[in-house]
Amino acid sequence: QKEVEQNSGPLSVPEGAIASLNCTYSDRGSQSFFWYRQYSGKSPELIMFIYSNGDKEDGRFTAQLNKASQYVSLLIRDSQPSDSATYLCAVGSDDKIIFGKGTRLHILP
Amino acid sequence: NAGVMQNPRHLVRRRGQEARLRCSPMKGHSHVYWYRQLPEEGLKFMVYLQKENIIDESGMPKERFSAEFPKEGPSILRIQQVVRGDSAAYFCASSPIREAEAFFGQGTRLTVV
Repeated sequence: QKEVEQNSGPLSVPEGAIASLNCTYSDRGSQSFFWYRQYSGKSPELIMFIYSNGDKEDGRFTAQLNKASQYVSLLIRDSQPSDSATYLCAVGSDDKIIFGKGTRLHILP
Repeated sequence: NAGVMQNPRHLVRRRGQEARLRCSPMKGHSHVYWYRQLPEEGLKFMVYLQKENIIDESGMPKERFSAEFPKEGPSILRIQQVVRGDSAAYFCASSPIREAEAFFGQGTRLTVV
């Protein structure tokens, strides 16, 4: 059973600080990695995807991938109250996209 | 450019009835995934389809649940003889190729009474 693991949180971060979200996955053959944001009662929204080892930056978001350690992370710089949500890590595995259970992030004003 | 469209948004069924959930993927997307989500829980994979083919249905219960993605028209997730435990949010997502970025519809909230 291929798995994606995330700390459920909640993770509390002061406004303006860097939020760091982590994810590990079990399938060494995975090639595609995604971060989604989900507000309560809403559908998941894709915010980052990464396919190669290293960092990928998009605005305030940076995704980091380390395939050797089977580890993906998401950094959110200059955290805003509107960033308060559940962040879902997802991994492409055996044709499927498998999701972790998500980390609840709370930005403290 | 319409995104992924799901309907209905809310569906109430009595125990024993059938629920039919529809998903129209984004234009140009031929890959569809269905997920189920219970309150305060993650997204559980149910089934992955390409046009006219079921690629992986390992997450779908063997009984009462079925899915299709015909050549013409939306993908359908069908739940026969619904039970209270089927109450959940059902999301579909589409992507242009396998294991690529997938975009979600608004979901169908199924309530079984």
